[in-house]
Amino acid sequence: AQKITQTQPGMFVQEKEAVTLDCTYDTSDQSYGLFWYKQPSSGEMIFLIYQGSYDEQNATEGRYSLNFQKARKSANLVISASQLGDSAMYFCAMREGGGGGFKTIFGAGTRLFVKA
Amino acid sequence: KAGVTQTPRYLIKTRGQQVTLSCSPISGHRSVSWYQQTPGQGLQFLFEYFSETQRNKGNFPGRFSGRQFSNSRSEMNVSTLELGDSALYLCASSSLRDRGRDTQYFGPGTRLTVL
Repeated sequence: AQKITQTQPGMFVQEKEAVTLDCTYDTSDQSYGLFWYKQPSSGEMIFLIYQGSYDEQNATEGRYSLNFQKARKSANLVISASQLGDSAMYFCAMREGGGGGFKTIFGAGTRLFVKA
Repeated sequence: KAGVTQTPRYLIKTRGQQVTLSCSPISGHRSVSWYQQTPGQGLQFLFEYFSETQRNKGNFPGRFSGRQFSNSRSEMNVSTLELGDSALYLCASSSLRDRGRDTQYFGPGTRLTVL
């Protein structure tokens, strides 16, 4: 069964330091997309970064990069130079499907606290 | 380009009532998905609509239903509300034009409280 696992319920990081949020996934599909979303206390889900299963290079979006290790089925998010505004919940998600419809599965999330 | 909008933002209902939530996707996006978020169960997929057709459904009882209109706007209905239906309901849209980069963009959510 498809599954997303985020093993870190909470993480602390010092401002301006880098932090890695872990994500492992399980799927039997060959074609899928992996996403990271940020959810501040306001509740809105903010798209951060995408990695396709066939992408050979790790995705990067500004201070966000995705460490994609397909054989290990992991898709860790790296945030460089953390800022106070990065304090939020972070969700790893996997999107699968095709002509018959798509479905996105989310992990339980990691709450990141950035310390001044 | 305007983002995904959801109305209402907050809703308080009592057990046994029914509720309808609305979602307007990003212009040009034809796929709309709904999710329920609770502290205990996390984010759970409800259903996905594309071109007015429900193409995928999560593991929710039949009290949860939805529809999509020709302009891609979507509504979600929950009948005979239970206390456990209290949650943040999130709507997301995507273009599905480039399947390999099918990013979903989320609305601000509707926070439903059932008393």
